[in-house]
Amino acid sequence: AQSVTQPDIHITVSEGASLELRCNYSYGATPYLFWYVQSPGQGLQLLLKYFSGDTLVQGIKGFEAEFKRSQSSFNLRKPSVHWSDAAEYFCAFTGGGSQGNLIFGKGTKLSVKP
Amino acid sequence: GAVVSQHPSRVICKSGTSVKIECRSLDFQATTMFWYRQFPKQSLMLMATSNEGSKATYEQGVEKDKFLINHASLTLSTLTVTSAHPEDSSFYICSAITGGRAQHFGDGTRLSIL
Repeated sequence: AQSVTQPDIHITVSEGASLELRCNYSYGATPYLFWYVQSPGQGLQLLLKYFSGDTLVQGIKGFEAEFKRSQSSFNLRKPSVHWSDAAEYFCAFTGGGSQGNLIFGKGTKLSVKP
Repeated sequence: GAVVSQHPSRVICKSGTSVKIECRSLDFQATTMFWYRQFPKQSLMLMATSNEGSKATYEQGVEKDKFLINHASLTLSTLTVTSAHPEDSSFYICSAITGGRAQHFGDGTRLSIL
């Protein structure tokens, strides 16, 4: 079955510390991968995406993610977290087809300690 | 670029009334729009996929007569929750896609049925 697993429900990091949010997908081919961020009561903002090519992709707000085919992973990283990064983060993918239906993980809530 | 506007942001109404939510792509033409529902502290659940000029495709378990979707133009899709009841209270989010794979999300609508 097609699915996305975000194993960490809630992560707390200190401001200035590095961050890695984990994401694993289950799909029979190479998917199109995304990371979105959601602040409370808001919609989702696209952080970055991977379609093909360089497996290390850069996004907005200093985030990056690395696609590892052998591990079916697409982990999100940031070298130094800011208090404003506190939010919910969703990993998602879409496979083939023209509709582009996204399959989401359950999200990881990030809290930032001062 | 790729701004999606969703209106209203919050609705409170009595049980039995119908509520219309609008989703507009402001600076691009959206070939496909999606409607999601999000329960508290959970991920997004795809309700339906909407293509301009054709009938929406509903996900399994979503009542077509309850959630009416109209995609009248390349920049506007509407979701009407008919005869709303308290169990329909939720956070509804739309997204739009152009020729690429990345979905761009609105800010969501908080629907509360009393």
